[in-house]
Amino acid sequence: DAEITQSPRHKITETGRQVTLACHQTWNHNNMFWYRQDLGHGLRLIHYSYGVQDTNKGEVSDGYSVSRSNTEDLPLTLESAASSQTSVYFCASRAPAGELFFGEGSRLTVL
Amino acid sequence: GENVEQHPSTLSVQEGDSAVIKCTYSDSASNYFPWYKQELGKRPQLIIDIRSNVGEKKDQRIAVTLNKTAKHFSLHITETQPEDSAVYFCAAGYSGGGADGLTFGKGTHLIIQP
Repeated sequence: DAEITQSPRHKITETGRQVTLACHQTWNHNNMFWYRQDLGHGLRLIHYSYGVQDTNKGEVSDGYSVSRSNTEDLPLTLESAASSQTSVYFCASRAPAGELFFGEGSRLTVL
Repeated sequence: GENVEQHPSTLSVQEGDSAVIKCTYSDSASNYFPWYKQELGKRPQLIIDIRSNVGEKKDQRIAVTLNKTAKHFSLHITETQPEDSAVYFCAAGYSGGGADGLTFGKGTHLIIQP
């Protein structure tokens, strides 16, 4: 079955380190997204992509970057991790009919 | 951009009673309104959605209503059961699989009391 997977599922890092969260989908969806989830804030959009070589900033993009070299993958990079970036991160891809499919989530702790 | 408000933030109901969660949105161009359920430690999953060309949609114990004039939509769960306990998110955006990410409400923690 087609799926969307994230890795790592849990990560502890130190302030200032670079961190990359991987996202891989096998639906061949063009549109992919990264959200962060924090208590009291719901799901907030970080970056999104229409397709290969396309990336766009979302609501809370400062301190994050993404790249799209193929249809299946949208890695999220924190260039210099900050404690404010401690969160649960969800990758998602969107079906042509509109439904958003989420990965299992990656819990990041920045000490 | 779109702004979605969701109420209440916490809702406690007796098992067997009904639960209603309400959302408002700001962008009159939005035409796709999904609801997601998230159990503790799990990913959000779609439970029902509605598009702006219909006013109501039902799926067994779950229904969603949409009032485009007032820009609000609601989730109704009847005959609540313990497995309905979860966080529910409403969202608004454009249908057709557009790359614009959906805008989510902040969530409602639904508690089903035995």
